[in-house]
Amino acid sequence: AQSVAQPEDQVNVAEGNPLTVKCTYSVSGNPYLFWYVQYPNRGLQFLLKYITGDNLVKGSYGFEAEFNKSQTSFHLKKPSALVSDSALYFCAVRDIWGNNRLAFGKGNQVVVIP
Amino acid sequence: NAGVTQTPKFRVLKTGQSMTLLCAQDMNHEYMYWYRQDPGMGLRLIHYSVGEGTTAKGEVPDGYNVSRLKKQNFLLGLESAAPSQTSVYFCASSYGGQGVNNSPLHFGNGTRLTVT
Repeated sequence: AQSVAQPEDQVNVAEGNPLTVKCTYSVSGNPYLFWYVQYPNRGLQFLLKYITGDNLVKGSYGFEAEFNKSQTSFHLKKPSALVSDSALYFCAVRDIWGNNRLAFGKGNQVVVIP
Repeated sequence: NAGVTQTPKFRVLKTGQSMTLLCAQDMNHEYMYWYRQDPGMGLRLIHYSVGEGTTAKGEVPDGYNVSRLKKQNFLLGLESAAPSQTSVYFCASSYGGQGVNNSPLHFGNGTRLTVT
């Protein structure tokens, strides 16, 4: 079964510093990978996805993610964090043979310190 | 364009009571989903629908029922609420399924349900 691990509960970063949120996955075939962000009292919002092609994917709000097949990882990155980036971030995966289900990670709380 | 709208936003139930959560989308999406979000567990799929008149079980369907009588609406019912169903419930929709074009999900703002 497909699964996602987000090993850190919370990531603290100073404003202006690079931000990285880690994600590793497990699927039986090739993965389709997604990042979503959740602001307080709101639903999740789509940030970016990797389906095929270039391993570096660019998304909304200056975020990008790098697909690494050998390490089964899909880490989310932003070169310079903003206070407004403080939110809960979810990684999700489905495999190429999959049905209509995404497997979500447990989420990472990002706190950007002014 | 309202997107995905969930009602109510909050609800408190006593054990054994029933209720229905309503989800409406105005994007003409074929696929709709109900998730629950619990601390430290991410999102878990309860039921989903691939089109009007169809429903299917997700990861944690027990204790819930759903209906998709109209394309724009997806209802989640709790027939006899239990404390274990205390959670935040999210509805989502997508143009294609996650098996078709990997369409991103559009989420509502959630319903916070407490069962005492």
